[in-house]
Amino acid sequence: DTAVSQTPKYLVTQMGNDKSIKCEQNLGHDTMYWYKQDSKKFLKIMFSYNNKELIINETVPNRFSPKSPDKAHLNLHINSLELGDSAVYFCASSQAGGPAYNEQFFGPGTRLTVL
Amino acid sequence: GNSVTQMEGPVTLSEEAFLTINCTYTATGYPSLFWYVQYPGEGLQLLLKATKADDKGSNKGFEATYRKETTSFHLEKGSVQVSDSAVYFCAISFNFGNEKLTFGTGTRLTIIP
Repeated sequence: DTAVSQTPKYLVTQMGNDKSIKCEQNLGHDTMYWYKQDSKKFLKIMFSYNNKELIINETVPNRFSPKSPDKAHLNLHINSLELGDSAVYFCASSQAGGPAYNEQFFGPGTRLTVL
Repeated sequence: GNSVTQMEGPVTLSEEAFLTINCTYTATGYPSLFWYVQYPGEGLQLLLKATKADDKGSNKGFEATYRKETTSFHLEKGSVQVSDSAVYFCAISFNFGNEKLTFGTGTRLTIIP
């Protein structure tokens, strides 16, 4: 059973399109995250939700909109895709309380390529 | 702001060699420290952590010690295996309220048989 799953695994699209990436966790965790990993492997947090409420928003362009329909799902919608959005996007989840006490579990990633 | 600086890669070693990957951090206060590992085609996994000064985290033969004086958390392994080939990320986080992990740039490790 996959703990944190993401769909799709690969996404190739044209500039200007709108696309979504879905994430689901079956661990019963309260908190979910989206991270972006660029071509140089640099990994940076984008958003964090706790019990469907946004708690971290790291100066991400407002073309990116996370949506959490319930605490097991955190989807990422991207409008008007740009070349610079090409990256691997990782979803993660944990219990609330911080990484020192509760491990973050990562999904396998979604590789987005914008042409 | 908080930041993590890691040894530039890539690092290539022969099997059974000794490994050190350096990590230093800049932060206000005393964060918790982590090493994550990313195997090819997979998401990140927690390798080890330390939450206070002089703590040693260890797992799968890897070790790292929280050095407050030098703000460092260097990753070591005495004898690496081909299966250790992966990208290793150092990260910090604060315990109070903010659950954000701040990562270093990652170090790609390749072990040759």
